[in-house]
Amino acid sequence: NAGVMQNPRHLVRRRGQEARLRCSPMKGHSHVYWYRQLPEEGLKFMVYLQKENIIDESGMPKERFSAEFPKEGPSILRIQQVVRGDSAAYFCASSPGTGREKLFFGSGTQLSVL
Amino acid sequence: QQQVKQSPQSLIVQKGGISIINCAYENTAFDYFPWYQQFPGKGPALLIAIRPDVSEKKEGRFTISFNKSAKQFSLHIMDSQPGDSATYFCAASDRSSNTGKLIFGQGTTLQVKP
Repeated sequence: NAGVMQNPRHLVRRRGQEARLRCSPMKGHSHVYWYRQLPEEGLKFMVYLQKENIIDESGMPKERFSAEFPKEGPSILRIQQVVRGDSAAYFCASSPGTGREKLFFGSGTQLSVL
Repeated sequence: QQQVKQSPQSLIVQKGGISIINCAYENTAFDYFPWYQQFPGKGPALLIAIRPDVSEKKEGRFTISFNKSAKQFSLHIMDSQPGDSATYFCAASDRSSNTGKLIFGQGTTLQVKP
């Protein structure tokens, strides 16, 4: 059973470009969380999604950031018009339900904005 | 209110020694306290977790001590090994949020010297 798959592992963008980060949850998991990790900091919650629904986006910046989890395919975290401050590691986690006790993380996408 | 404060930021321990990492919180609605272990280039992985109805939980060399009145909890790693060298995050979750999101501490980088 493959774990949570994130791609790409590393993503380099220039200021003003768009970044698309993908997350395929573990088989049988229908709940996806996105977290951001800045250098020397812990993980910060961004958004929680179930299939086709955003449940909690209280941690998402108001502008430029969006997330989706379609009926088919991976969850996508999209960052428009990236700025240097967006440089961070973005982690996706999945669970079979509202399973804070069964949360599995992917290896992350390291976004670097030049 | 939603913060979890973790200390120390970094820790160096000799092989065979005890590693102790502390966390404190303010939100009395938190009812689930996991610890995550993260190796370089990997996502966090659940190590051990505790609920506030018990004061201690032990799994192998890893023990969580929980002090509800002081709103503090700590991770003890007995007989620390070089393979334990990693970053450790405490976290907390509020059941009333109904989303399962975790609030993470800032992280502790542990180095176990041979």
